[in-house]
Amino acid sequence: GQQVMQIPQYQHVQEGEDFTTYCNSSTTLSNIQWYKQRPGGHPVFLIQLVKSGEVKKQKRLTFQFGEAKKNSSLHITATQTTDVGTYFCAGPPDNTDKLIFGTGTRLQVFP
Amino acid sequence: NAGVTQTPKFQVLKTGQSMTLQCAQDMNHEYMSWYRQDPGMGLRLIHYSVGAGITDQGEVPNGYNVSRSTTEDFPLRLLSAAPSQTSVYFCASQGGGYGYTFGSGTRLTVV
Repeated sequence: GQQVMQIPQYQHVQEGEDFTTYCNSSTTLSNIQWYKQRPGGHPVFLIQLVKSGEVKKQKRLTFQFGEAKKNSSLHITATQTTDVGTYFCAGPPDNTDKLIFGTGTRLQVFP
Repeated sequence: NAGVTQTPKFQVLKTGQSMTLQCAQDMNHEYMSWYRQDPGMGLRLIHYSVGAGITDQGEVPNGYNVSRSTTEDFPLRLLSAAPSQTSVYFCASQGGGYGYTFGSGTRLTVV
């Protein structure tokens, strides 16, 4: 079946350092979505990218969708303690309507 | 708007019991999905629906049934609870080609 893997699984950073998580799918995705889940909470939608090679920014967050539409990345510049949580990528395999989530990257930020 | 409402928030079942997890959304979203989240396992798709009267299986459908008689409601039925179904269950909905909105989850323990 389709798999969506994320690396790293865990990342601990000092506040102010940068952070990147990578997402790789075994199949082509029609779009890529990113979600953030705070400890004890539910996933919250951050952004969606649709086009091959697309790059979007939200303040300190930069999202990229790979040219082959099988990989993506999320980069956070100058992390803050409010960035703590687990970041998931998710996408529907081409020609399907189901949203499959990646394995997630848990970010811990030390002040 | 209340968004996505899940009930109950917590539930303890005995092995072999059946129950229904309720999910309702008031955003007129066509797409709805059920996920389970086990510690360190990310979110796995159980069943999903692209509209009233239409449902399909996700990654881990065994032991669960769904129906979608209205746009608003998407209940998840556990047929005969097993300890392996101990998890946090999230319902989510999507409309307008944007990201999914998640409910706050149901924490289910099967003893």
